[in-house]
This record gives sequence, C-alpha cells and structure tokens, in this order.
Amino acid sequence: DTGVSQDPRHKITKRGQNVTFRCDPISEHNRLYWYRQTLGQGPEFLTYFQNEAQLEKSRLLSDRFSAERPKGSFSTLEIQRTEQGDSAMYLCASSQRLGGGDTQYFGPGTRLTVL
Amino acid sequence: GNSVTQMEGPVTLSEEAFLTINCTYTATGYPSLFWYVQYPGEGLQLLLKATKADDKGSNKGFEATYRKETTSFHLEKGSVQVSDSAVYFCALSEKTAGNKLTFGGGTRVLVKP
Repeated sequence: DTGVSQDPRHKITKRGQNVTFRCDPISEHNRLYWYRQTLGQGPEFLTYFQNEAQLEKSRLLSDRFSAERPKGSFSTLEIQRTEQGDSAMYLCASSQRLGGGDTQYFGPGTRLTVL
Repeated sequence: GNSVTQMEGPVTLSEEAFLTINCTYTATGYPSLFWYVQYPGEGLQLLLKATKADDKGSNKGFEATYRKETTSFHLEKGSVQVSDSAVYFCALSEKTAGNKLTFGGGTRVLVKP
C-alpha cells in the first residue's frame, strides 16, 4: 500500500527564487489538499482539488502561490519570488470523497527554508 | 468561521499515568472531528475520528467522544507509554466546506519512564 509521497523533503532557497514542490497522492484518491505548517502551530489549509479541478483557495494563498493537478493525479505547488515568511513545512494530503468525514492521509511534507 | 482550540502543552507525564487533552470547537454546521498525531520525525497520522454527535472514536487505547452540547472532543488514554510521546492535533472538517481540515495548535506530550 503506497502512501502519499512528497518531493523534495527539504528545500533551501534564497529569497526571490522560485520553488516547486510535488505531491503524489494515494492512487485511488480523488481529492488532494495542500496545507502549510509553521513551527509550533497546527497545519493551515491552502487549497484543494477534486480530480483536476481546484475547488477552493485560502486567503493565505497569495498570488505568488499557484497549484496544479493535471489529469487529476499528482499535484505541484509553486511559490514565486520566495520570501522569508514562506519558510514552513508544506503538507499534502489525499482522500477518497465519500461525503462527510472522509479521512485525509498525509505525506511526510516538504520543509522549505528561505534564506 | 470554524475554529479549534486545544490545551497548550507541553504535557509531561509518567508512564502509566492518565492522559487527557482538551479540545473544543466552533463550527457553522455539523462537523466531523479528528485527532491526528505527529511522532518525532514523522508525518501526521490519523489517530481516531467521530462523524456525529455521541460517537466515540477509539484507537491504540485512545478514546474521544463527540459532545455536541459542549462542542468538545477531548482525547483520553488510561495508561500512557513512553512511545505515546508526540504532538497531538485536534481537527474538524465539514462536508459543506470541501472537508478541508481546521486544526488546533497542537499539544506536545512527553511521557517519562
């Protein structure tokens, strides 16, 4: 049983650079979520997809952030012109939409450090 | 909007002690409630969940009951082990909001032998 995978696990970049993260969900899951977790805090919702459609974006997701899920499989999250405040753990989760209470399974996360 | 409040840590216990982590929520509808756990160096794992009022979720000796009247979902374990040392997150989701999770701030638990 393959879980949710994320790549890379760690990324160090300089302020102003662009970065892209990838998430591969559990294969039969049609929903994919992105969250951001800063040190000592709970994860905060960024955006989610049902199949290839992006259905909601949080106000946290500024116009420097963009996410895609082509063909409803893997997803990418890109941050343009990174800022030090973008330093965080970026978490991906997937679920099979069943109605209420569907369980989200999380990947190990990508830790971003912006210098 | 939705929110989750849980007791701040760290909580330090001796092995075999009783653990309670309080969690209360605010929601506009009828949420499902979850406890996730994050062990050192690992990702978030679902510990247990409850989808309607009075449901009890349980797993690995942990229990939590969905109390609609007090908007609470407190986590309990009768006898903790060193291996239960982790950060515990209470969360809710609503079907009408795409089932996205709203998390509390997390409670770090340290169990000493």
